[in-house]
Amino acid sequence: DGGITQSPKYLFRKEGQNVTLSCEQNLNHDAMYWYRQDPGQGLRLIYYSQIVNDFQKGDIAEGYSVSREKKESFPLTVTSAQKNPTAFYLCASSIGKDRNTEAFFGQGTRLTVV
Amino acid sequence: QQQVKQSPQSLIVQKGGISIINCAYENTAFDYFPWYQQFPGKGPALLIAIRPDVSEKKEGRFTISFNKSAKQFSLHIMDSQPGDSATYFCAASYRRGGADGLTFGKGTHLIIQP
Repeated sequence: DGGITQSPKYLFRKEGQNVTLSCEQNLNHDAMYWYRQDPGQGLRLIYYSQIVNDFQKGDIAEGYSVSREKKESFPLTVTSAQKNPTAFYLCASSIGKDRNTEAFFGQGTRLTVV
Repeated sequence: QQQVKQSPQSLIVQKGGISIINCAYENTAFDYFPWYQQFPGKGPALLIAIRPDVSEKKEGRFTISFNKSAKQFSLHIMDSQPGDSATYFCAASYRRGGADGLTFGKGTHLIIQP
């Protein structure tokens, strides 16, 4: 089945610790995105990437880092610099070769700071 | 600055009734307006989308109405069913930096009462 796989589903982080969220897609999409979802806040764009080895900051990139070494993978690292990391993180992908095509989302990772 | 404003925040509709959710945008560069449906603990899924060259798009019980001059668009769910109970997000996008990221509204929590 084609789709986007995020792992883990739940993640707990201690104060001052970096954690990495995995996102893998087998849709052969060029563009990939990371969003953060907080209650009552909608989804906010963290980072996006159109091609391998290239990525751009979104609206709330501070405290996060990404890499795009393979077309299929777009991991997100939540660093200790992110002061309020508890949230639901969503990865998405789209064809990227045409303007404004459907974005497909993964099932999300819920990150909690303990 | 919130670029996509969504209302209401929550909505209760009787089974068989019409659910209406409204969104307004500010950036005239937006040229793609999707609606996403999200169930608890899941990622959003595309419901229906419209481009500004048409004023209305209908897919089954779901209709988008688009008013370009007013910079507003709305989702109508006809004959609302309990299975429609979910959170709905409007969104807008334009090509930026070669990849199009979506700007989301804050969401509407819809409850359909049997």
